[in-house]
Amino acid sequence: AQSVTQLDSHVSVSEGTPVLLRCNYSSSYSPSLFWYVQHPNKGLQLLLKYTSAATLVKGINGFEAEFKKSETSFHLTKPSAHMSDAAEYFCVVTNSGGYNKLIFGAGTRLAVHP
Amino acid sequence: GAVVSQHPSRVICKSGTSVKIECRSLDFQATTMFWYRQFPKQSLMLMATSNEGSKATYEQGVEKDKFLINHASLTLSTLTVTSAHPEDSSFYICSARDLAGPDTQYFGPGTRLTVL
Repeated sequence: AQSVTQLDSHVSVSEGTPVLLRCNYSSSYSPSLFWYVQHPNKGLQLLLKYTSAATLVKGINGFEAEFKKSETSFHLTKPSAHMSDAAEYFCVVTNSGGYNKLIFGAGTRLAVHP
Repeated sequence: GAVVSQHPSRVICKSGTSVKIECRSLDFQATTMFWYRQFPKQSLMLMATSNEGSKATYEQGVEKDKFLINHASLTLSTLTVTSAHPEDSSFYICSARDLAGPDTQYFGPGTRLTVL
């Protein structure tokens, strides 16, 4: 069975400093992995996705994530945080077969301080 | 990029009434749409998978007679909350799987349902 663990429920950074949101996954198959962002009372926006191509995935708004099979990790990073990055971030893995269900992590709330 | 809309964005209804929420894929065709429920400060919980032209597949613990799903076309799925009660108050989010990109789901902006 597939599962996702987001290691931090809350992360707080200062504007202009790096962001690291950690995610570990468990999968019996070669997984597809995603990061989504949700701003308050909004739907989810796809930041980036990994689907067995390059292990370093670049997304929108300067975010990127690296798929590390040996560590079963898919951490999200950004070199310099912006105030507008404050939101909830979800790490997601597809279920076996990859076509249907998304398995969501519990989410990480990112706060960005001036 | 692929856009999914939901209507209404917010709805307030009285206990015992039914509410219909629409989910549309605006610029792509979606044979499969998904309905999620999100409680405050929590993650998304998949309620059901909606396939165009067939019956929806409900997750364990989700009452199919209470949450009616119809997927009549490749661009529209509806969720009807029947005989709503205050405990049904939640944020309902749909997503659609693009035929051209089977591993990617695009999410709607969500519908905030409040049952008085």
